[in-house]
Amino acid sequence: AQSVTQLDSHVSVSEGTPVLLRCNYSSSYSPSLFWYVQHPNKGLQLLLKYTSAATLVKGINGFEAEFKKSETSFHLTKPSAHMSDAAEYFCVVSGVKAAGNKLTFGGGTRVLVKP
Amino acid sequence: TAGITQAPTSQILAAGRSMTLRCTQDMRHNAMYWYRQDLGLGLRLIHYSNTAGTTGKGEVPDGYSVSRANTDDFPLTLASAVPSQTSVYFCASSVGGLSTEAFFGQGTRLTVV
Repeated sequence: AQSVTQLDSHVSVSEGTPVLLRCNYSSSYSPSLFWYVQHPNKGLQLLLKYTSAATLVKGINGFEAEFKKSETSFHLTKPSAHMSDAAEYFCVVSGVKAAGNKLTFGGGTRVLVKP
Repeated sequence: TAGITQAPTSQILAAGRSMTLRCTQDMRHNAMYWYRQDLGLGLRLIHYSNTAGTTGKGEVPDGYSVSRANTDDFPLTLASAVPSQTSVYFCASSVGGLSTEAFFGQGTRLTVV
């Protein structure tokens, strides 16, 4: 079985300060991990993905995430938040072969950016 | 490029009625998925299809059915809607394989009253 836990349901940051969104996973297989972003009333957009290559993954809009196998973590960071980063973020794991590319989602972290 | 198109964008449905949510992709992806999104629960997989002609049950399949007659279309049917099926439904597709990302439609907001 696989599961994903996003440790914060809400994160509030000031514009220009760093953003940290925490994600822990469990998987019986070597996982692929993803971060998706969802802006209000929109679909989900891929930010970045980890697929067993480099452990530090760079994504769009200045986001990056580091895969730490020993900690089973895949935290998302951005050095300087922008107002447009206000959205909901989902950490996702894929790794169960029986169901093809079966994605398991975390509960989401809603980011508020204050001016 | 359209990507994934879902219809309708929103719907109010009386309990006990049936409804089909439509999903079409133009990327020739092998795999397609239906998720429901509920507050605090993230997205949960309802049904999936690894390739045309095959389907499988996800995490929350009860009350829903799907078909995959061709590569492009993956409709989701609610045979007899209940209020607990009020949710936002997302269709997604991927090339297939464990490391490939999914592409999502814009969602269908369904309210069952």
